[in-house]
Amino acid sequence: QKEVEQNSGPLSVPEGAIASLNCTYSDRGSQSFFWYRQYSGKSPELIMFIYSNGDKEDGRFTAQLNKASQYVSLLIRDSQPSDSATYLCAVNVDKIIFGKGTRLHILP
Amino acid sequence: SAVISQKPSRDICQRGTSLTIQCQVDSQVTMMFWYRQQPGQSLTLIATANQGSEATYESGFVIDKFPISRPNLTFSTLTVSNMSPEDSSIYLCSAEGQGGTEAFFGQGTRLTVV
Repeated sequence: QKEVEQNSGPLSVPEGAIASLNCTYSDRGSQSFFWYRQYSGKSPELIMFIYSNGDKEDGRFTAQLNKASQYVSLLIRDSQPSDSATYLCAVNVDKIIFGKGTRLHILP
Repeated sequence: SAVISQKPSRDICQRGTSLTIQCQVDSQVTMMFWYRQQPGQSLTLIATANQGSEATYESGFVIDKFPISRPNLTFSTLTVSNMSPEDSSIYLCSAEGQGGTEAFFGQGTRLTVV
């Protein structure tokens, strides 16, 4: 069974701090990794993707991938109240499999 | 990223009836996908729809219950057949991105079966 695991949260982070979201996956053959943001009542929105080990930065977002540990994370710097949402980790293993998501709450 | 239009955005249906959800992409894509998201849950893949071939269904989903059409490279439909209250969910259409690995989503269809 191919699985993607995330802590469901909620994760509460003060405004301006760094939010750290983590994800593990079971299939070593996974090649592509994604983070989606989903606001309540809305569809998921792709915010980051990463294919290679290491860090990938885009604005306030940094995705980190460690294939040896089968671990992918998302850092959000200078957290804003508008970052409050559910963050879904997804892995492509001939199809895209989603984790259950982590609810992030930024405290004003 | 592709722009995906999905309709209807929501519907309330009587049990035993069927609903067809439409998904239109603004560019040609090889792979389209249908997901279900039940309240408070993550996304579950129902099936992959490729143009010119039968849809590939995931474990727990069958063609008789969720028939899918894919008549061309920009359009797909999902029908939820013989509905029961357990089918109440959000149904999401998605399409692969230009990178060939990521997925972009339509707005979703919120279905309530009474």
